[in-house]
Amino acid sequence: AQSVAQPEDQVNVAEGNPLTVKCTYSVSGNPYLFWYVQYPNRGLQFLLKYITGDNLVKGSYGFEAEFNKSQTSFHLKKPSALVSDSALYFCAVRDKSSASKIIFGSGTRLSIRP
Amino acid sequence: DSGVTQTPKHLITATGQRVTLRCSPRSGDLSVYWYQQSLDQGLQFLIQYYNGEERAKGNILERFSAQQFPDLHSELNLSSLELGDSALYFCASSPVGPADTQYFGPGTRLTVL
Repeated sequence: AQSVAQPEDQVNVAEGNPLTVKCTYSVSGNPYLFWYVQYPNRGLQFLLKYITGDNLVKGSYGFEAEFNKSQTSFHLKKPSALVSDSALYFCAVRDKSSASKIIFGSGTRLSIRP
Repeated sequence: DSGVTQTPKHLITATGQRVTLRCSPRSGDLSVYWYQQSLDQGLQFLIQYYNGEERAKGNILERFSAQQFPDLHSELNLSSLELGDSALYFCASSPVGPADTQYFGPGTRLTVL
């Protein structure tokens, strides 16, 4: 069975500092991995995804994520946080080997203080 | 704007009632997904349709049902509503394959009183 975990409910970072939002996953085969962001009273917006190839994936708004197969992780990162990055972030996983459903993590609330 | 539209934006109803939520996918997308987001349970996958046929089922209650029509729009029907059904309901669409990005609509906020 596939699963995804976001171990931190909340991450607090000062503006200008680097940020990391953690995600680990479990699938029986090879994964497709996604990051989405949700602003208040809005739907989820796609940030980036890993399908295959380069382990470092670059996405929207300066975010990037690194696929680490040995650690089964796909952490979201940004070198310099902005106050406008404050939002709810979801990691999601889908198993390549089947037409299985996508599983979302529980979400991490990112708060950037000025 | 993701290109996915959902109506209505807000819905307030009473326990025991039945409601229908509507979703129009992005142009060209064949798959439609429904999700429920509540405060205590995060984002829960309900059901997926692909080109009119049910493709995958998640944690969807028997009181809930969905369908996708020939023009690819989808409806989620919620019946015998309970207080605990109050939540945000999102629709997402994607083109074809499992690697395709899902694009989310703005959601319908359902309040059951």
